[in-house]
Amino acid sequence: GAVVSQHPSRVICKSGTSVKIECRSLDFQATTMFWYRQFPKKSLMLMATSNEGSKATYEQGVEKDKFLINHASLTLSTLTVTSAHPEDSSFYICSARIPIWGYTFGSGTRLTVV
Amino acid sequence: AQTVTQSQPEMSVQEAETVTLSCTYDTSESDYYLFWYKQPPSRQMILVIRQEAYKQQNATENRFSVNFQKAAKSFSLKISDSQLGDAAMYFCACLPRGAQKLVFGQGTRLTINP
Repeated sequence: GAVVSQHPSRVICKSGTSVKIECRSLDFQATTMFWYRQFPKKSLMLMATSNEGSKATYEQGVEKDKFLINHASLTLSTLTVTSAHPEDSSFYICSARIPIWGYTFGSGTRLTVV
Repeated sequence: AQTVTQSQPEMSVQEAETVTLSCTYDTSESDYYLFWYKQPPSRQMILVIRQEAYKQQNATENRFSVNFQKAAKSFSLKISDSQLGDAAMYFCACLPRGAQKLVFGQGTRLTINP
């Protein structure tokens, strides 16, 4: 089946540094990927829609300069959290649309900013 | 705009018993997809079942079935013969045909009592 590989699964970074999260579609081409943030015991909150070869579309309230999204190829989208702060600590999940039947999700990245 | 509401933050059921998780949604579209996703402690999002709105027949996947009431905009999930591995957060989601973004409900945490 269609698989999205997300790395790293866990990352700890120092406040003020940047961290990159990768999301790869392994056996299909993903023209569109989605990035979510999930707080503990809460639902998924869509941050942005990533389109291959064009600028990402950010949801209202999401700082595009803090959460940089790049979708340079049909199999790779990246989310870079710039100048990370402790409040950016969260669980981040990527997703890709599978034509006809729905969506497939990455396994998520737990980001801790210390 | 679409909204999805899961009114049960938590549910519990005895192992081998049946449990029903509720979901209501609101959309102005006549054609759409509905989904139930499971998020176990690993936090990997797993598709449980999918329903196309134009199909009157309720979708079924092994022990999982839905009760789709289009007029009432209700999409409940029934889990039969509950197993310990069914313990997870369950999210209901809606996707209008032609749209890109899934709209998730708040989630229901299901506990299975041995």
